[in-house]
Amino acid sequence: SQQGEEDPQALSIQEGENATMNCSYKTSINNLQWYRQNSGRGLVHLILIRSNEREKHSGRLRVTLDTSKKSSSLLITASRAADTASYFCATDHSGNTPLVFGKGTRLSVIA
Amino acid sequence: DAMVIQNPRYQVTQFGKPVTLSCSQTLNHNVMYWYQQKSSQAPKLLFHYYDKDFNNEADTPDNFQSRRPNTSFCFLDIRSPGLGDAAMYLCATSRGTGAPGYTFGSGTRLTVV
Repeated sequence: SQQGEEDPQALSIQEGENATMNCSYKTSINNLQWYRQNSGRGLVHLILIRSNEREKHSGRLRVTLDTSKKSSSLLITASRAADTASYFCATDHSGNTPLVFGKGTRLSVIA
Repeated sequence: DAMVIQNPRYQVTQFGKPVTLSCSQTLNHNVMYWYQQKSSQAPKLLFHYYDKDFNNEADTPDNFQSRRPNTSFCFLDIRSPGLGDAAMYLCATSRGTGAPGYTFGSGTRLTVV
């Protein structure tokens, strides 16, 4: 399976702390994307990192990619209660095939 | 605002009774996808349309069908829903399959009784 695997499955932190989620995948990628899903809602695209990039920032989000280890991490700095959601990585393996989603990390930020 | 709209948000159907879920988009995107997501699991791709070209995933059950009558609309038909088909069904769009960032609808939660 090309499906990514996130860890941890669930993460609970205090407001203001940083949250780190990891994603591993099995086959080479064109790009890797992170999505957020609030409970019972659709997914929202957060950030994309291409296979030739190592790090990318967007506001409080920082994504890293290590293609040699086939892994990526998503860091949310200074977390807020509103960041409580599930976070999924999704891989684009060839540039013309649909995204394959991982199982997600459920993040709870406690005020 | 350009968006992807799924109707209804919640659908209850009887075991074995055909049901249709709908998705519409105002983004004029070429590709529309249907994903199935069961509780605490990854979204699983059922099929996608690139314009009028239908692409079925190898492990999508025959019970699931789709129609895309025009660019804006796409339908998911479940011919004989079973209890195992209870899930969130997510519609998404993109300019191309390799285009960055899919736009998702809010999903339809299907319950089978």
